[in-house]
Amino acid sequence: DAGVIQSPRHEVTEMGQEVTLRCKLISGHNSLFWYRQTMMRGLELLIYFNNNVPIDDSGMPEDRFSAKMPNASFSTLKIQPSEPRDSAVYFCASSLAWADTGELFFGEGSRLTVL
Amino acid sequence: DAKTTQPNSMESNEEEPVHLPCNHSTISGTDYIHWYRQLPSQGPEYVIHGLTSNVNNRMASLAIAEDRKSSTLILHRATLRDAAVYYCILRPYSGAGSYQLTFGKGTKLSVIP
Repeated sequence: DAGVIQSPRHEVTEMGQEVTLRCKLISGHNSLFWYRQTMMRGLELLIYFNNNVPIDDSGMPEDRFSAKMPNASFSTLKIQPSEPRDSAVYFCASSLAWADTGELFFGEGSRLTVL
Repeated sequence: DAKTTQPNSMESNEEEPVHLPCNHSTISGTDYIHWYRQLPSQGPEYVIHGLTSNVNNRMASLAIAEDRKSSTLILHRATLRDAAVYYCILRPYSGAGSYQLTFGKGTKLSVIP
């Protein structure tokens, strides 16, 4: 079984550039989460989608961040323009909402470095 | 938000049992106790969860205190692959925020060969 697939695994860019991170959900899952992890703040929820609809985006830092689900199996997280403080590991996770365990399946993450 | 308290770090010898504690004195009646772990350079992975009764699965056991104010994750025989950060998380069963997994700092477990 393929798990949650994220790309790119590593991204190095310069301040001001646009960054797009991609996530493919596990087939059949209908909830999608984007998290960000830094040493200072740990794992933070950025946005949560259910059935392709954004339910909670209160964790999105500012307008430079946007996330979409163009279809049920794919999501993007875009940062434009990027800043050095955006450097972090970005994880997406999927789940089958209302499943007994509500287990979240995480991807391996995208490590972003903004110079 | 109900919060959890875990030791920053613990050590265990390989093939010995490990008991990872978690305090959650403000837990509400509808909060499930979830445990996730994060291996180096990987995303978090689900370990186990429970509500009131002790739980076992292939990865670990979860012992929940009778008053539910604390719980213990038990790894029966630690292996080097179990070296990770372990997160104890309270998750509402339903209603607003039930989708939320709020990660704290967790316990970093080191396994000594």
